[in-house]
Amino acid sequence: LAKTTQPISMDSYEGQEVNITCSHNNIATNDYITWYQQFPSQGPRFIIQGYKTKVTNEVASLFIPADRKSSTLSLPRVSLSDTAVYYCLVGAGMDSSYKLIFGSGTRLLVRP
Amino acid sequence: GAVVSQHPSRVICKSGTSVKIECRSLDFQATTMFWYRQFPKQSLMLMATSNEGSKATYEQGVEKDKFLINHASLTLSTLTVTSAHPEDSSFYICNALGGSEQYFGPGTRLTVT
Repeated sequence: LAKTTQPISMDSYEGQEVNITCSHNNIATNDYITWYQQFPSQGPRFIIQGYKTKVTNEVASLFIPADRKSSTLSLPRVSLSDTAVYYCLVGAGMDSSYKLIFGSGTRLLVRP
Repeated sequence: GAVVSQHPSRVICKSGTSVKIECRSLDFQATTMFWYRQFPKQSLMLMATSNEGSKATYEQGVEKDKFLINHASLTLSTLTVTSAHPEDSSFYICNALGGSEQYFGPGTRLTVT
């Protein structure tokens, strides 16, 4: 399974756009890229998943360059409630046994 | 949408006793269940994978006789921590997979005194 590297922590202010980049140099051809959010003492929550180019949903956008060796999670106009740990994972897609291996994650702190 | 529940949400037990944690998929059938534990300020660590009706597969370094996993039905998996010790105190999280559905439970906080 591809290993991921993310910044350990990031600080931002309310209303700003936050971009968290993840490196996954050894990503395999059939690997998807998935981002999860985790609040203290809660299970991780799915944010977004993509394979290539750009994916957008109601909470975030995911940018994936052509070589797929990295990806960037973009959170528009963050609020205090977006303070959490964000995990980038790569692995086989939804049509197979998807064993999720977590890296260290990025601890995002949103300040007023 | 699909929901995965865990019971109990938190438990305190004495050293040497056993504790059972239940994980249920509420509106989909979970053919595979993954169990994780998470120590404070650390990431989630995969402990084991279980497929319904089969024996669990444990990750390296996880004692299968200490962490008993049962996945007897498509909606229920249990993790039993046997002869618990204070170092087993952690946050235990299940992840249920069924078809294209995959969701985490809310977690169980285990404290061993």
